Amino acid sequence: AQKVTQAQTEISVVEKEDVTLDCVYETRDTTYYLFWYKQPPSGELVFLIRRNSFDEQNEISGRYSWNFQKSTSSFNFTITASQVVDSAVYFCALMGDTGNQFYFGTGTSLTVIP
Amino acid sequence: DTGVSQDPRHKITKRGQNVTFRCDPISEHNRLYWYRQTLGQGPEFLTYFQNEAQLEKSRLLSDRFSAERPKGSFSTLEIQRTEQGDSAMYLCASSLGPTTGELFFGEGSRLTVL
Repeated sequence: AQKVTQAQTEISVVEKEDVTLDCVYETRDTTYYLFWYKQPPSGELVFLIRRNSFDEQNEISGRYSWNFQKSTSSFNFTITASQVVDSAVYFCALMGDTGNQFYFGTGTSLTVIP
Repeated sequence: DTGVSQDPRHKITKRGQNVTFRCDPISEHNRLYWYRQTLGQGPEFLTYFQNEAQLEKSRLLSDRFSAERPKGSFSTLEIQRTEQGDSAMYLCASSLGPTTGELFFGEGSRLTVL
């Protein structure tokens, strides 16, 4: 079965603090893809990153970085020097090797306090 | 704007009425997905199309729900005899193919059943 767990329901940080959002996944597929999406108050889900199961190299994009560890089935997301505009709900998602479905976690609501 | 568009954005209806939502995907995308999102939850898969063929349906999709994509372009999701439990945000997404990339989401159609 495919499953994504985001144990952190809500996080609040003060602006300029770093924050890490956790994501743990379960799958029996050897080929799979992991994603992070951002859902701001406006509601539209915005793609942030995709990672395939064969690429464990960490990635950095500006203030965003992602740590993929197959050994612990985790794909964590760090925002460095958080800003108020980062306030949103963040979803981690998994797509298996059939490519037919995305499985989303329950999301982490991040509030950045000015 | 060449993103995914959904219509209507909001629909309020009385229990027992039928409602229909429309989704126009990104034009070159051959895969189209419908998801449902309730408050505090991640999107849940309902169904997806590869061109005009409906290839997979979730068990969440009761027989009151029907989706079509007649010409492989836009899609409609109809809910018959609505129930209060159908109140949710209905999200449409499109993608280029099974493993080529991320889902691009529309802004969603919010349904309220009174």
